[in-house]
Amino acid sequence: GAGVSQSPSNKVTEKGKDVELRCDPISGHTALYWYRQSLGQGLEFLIYFQGNSAPDKSGLPSDRFSAERTGGSVSTLTIQRTQQEDSAVYLCASSSGGDGNQPQHFGDGTRLSIL
Amino acid sequence: AQSVSQHNHHVILSEAASLELGCNYSYGGTVNLFWYVQYPGQHLQLLLKYFSGDPLVKGIKGFEAEFIKSKFSFNLRKPSVQWSDTAEYFCAVNARGGADGLTFGKGTHLIIQP
Repeated sequence: GAGVSQSPSNKVTEKGKDVELRCDPISGHTALYWYRQSLGQGLEFLIYFQGNSAPDKSGLPSDRFSAERTGGSVSTLTIQRTQQEDSAVYLCASSSGGDGNQPQHFGDGTRLSIL
Repeated sequence: AQSVSQHNHHVILSEAASLELGCNYSYGGTVNLFWYVQYPGQHLQLLLKYFSGDPLVKGIKGFEAEFIKSKFSFNLRKPSVQWSDTAEYFCAVNARGGADGLTFGKGTHLIIQP
């Protein structure tokens, strides 16, 4: 079946611009996760959705980052006023349960480059 | 909060050699443990997971891992590696029943020489 789909696969933008990254989870998966993978920091957890709600936003790196999920499906991660340190691969994952006891399935990621 | 330590950042082996990648975690409660693999140009894939029960878990492609609670360890093993096992391997943990994301180790870059 279809896996987690992320778009765009690559995004190059100028410093100061806003970017929006999209994640389409596996059909029926109620839990959705965003991570960031960078050379210096490895894989960092950013935010988690159970349905449309995000119980804990403390993992987001700054207030320039926001995320939403509507209809219990597609999620968007928005970065405002991008900075060069935002350059990374942004990964989305989904799982069938929201209690952490189900494995997460990852997408291919969006490679974001800030010039 | 949890933390995960992977002892080897780069490992180079010859085909047919045995593999063991170390992983230790820090957390005061009950955890779920995972090993993920990222082949060149591909997305993260689940190799194996431990939730409860038998501490020796078997995954795909001949990999296995053993949870040793007293050592807070979850080392990954394979008796005989193949060239196709060249990849980045990540150990990860989350709190059992917790509604949060995975905490990953820094990863181990494994290179298998033919």
